[in-house]
Amino acid sequence: ETGVTQTPRHLVMGMTNKKSLKCEQHLGHNAMYWYKQSAKKPLELMFVYNFKEQTENNSVPSRFSPECPNSSHLFLHLHTLQPEDSALYLCASSKGTSGGAGNEQFFGPGTRLTVL
Amino acid sequence: AQTVTQSQPEMSVQEAETVTLSCTYDTSESDYYLFWYKQPPSRQMILVIRQEAYKQQNATENRFSVNFQKAAKSFSLKISDSQLGDAAMYFCAYRSGYSGGSNYKLTFGKGTLLTVNP
Repeated sequence: ETGVTQTPRHLVMGMTNKKSLKCEQHLGHNAMYWYKQSAKKPLELMFVYNFKEQTENNSVPSRFSPECPNSSHLFLHLHTLQPEDSALYLCASSKGTSGGAGNEQFFGPGTRLTVL
Repeated sequence: AQTVTQSQPEMSVQEAETVTLSCTYDTSESDYYLFWYKQPPSRQMILVIRQEAYKQQNATENRFSVNFQKAAKSFSLKISDSQLGDAAMYFCAYRSGYSGGSNYKLTFGKGTLLTVNP
């Protein structure tokens, strides 16, 4: 266990549904991340939050809406998704977002999302 | 921009044997960190080992060690005495050592799927 939990672990939704993914970290970190992992592709960084403020939106479509109410919790709200959005969504956290030492990212187990 | 290349989509090894996973990267920076992450079928990405570019000594964590060749921009992972639990997808990743901007970002390779045969 890395100290980062994600729920649900699996999610199947239709294109007209609205659902949310939840991430929680128990490491006292200040930065949290959403990644998308598709088959045969490198991990894609979607969003970054540092001290609850969004610091990165990597050109993610608006059908993905992140929320970070505090440094321990991160949500990804989903609505009107497309089948190509089916992927593993990983959450990660780190102490901070500087490039120096000690800011390794710790990952959650992911949510396997299938969009029908 | 930095790039990370893992040229071996799949590898296999016999239990108790040694296997080496390859990773090359491209960067113009002199200060950076390199990582190997392991993602077993349970999907939790776990940090296996970390190398700091300014350290010449290769990092070692129990049965895992790296061969860091800075001039060649190569960062391979050696797993000794392979165990069934080592079966996983392994990702090589790069991060800048400089503070500021988006330097905290990890750049990942596509991964190498390691199978361990009993």
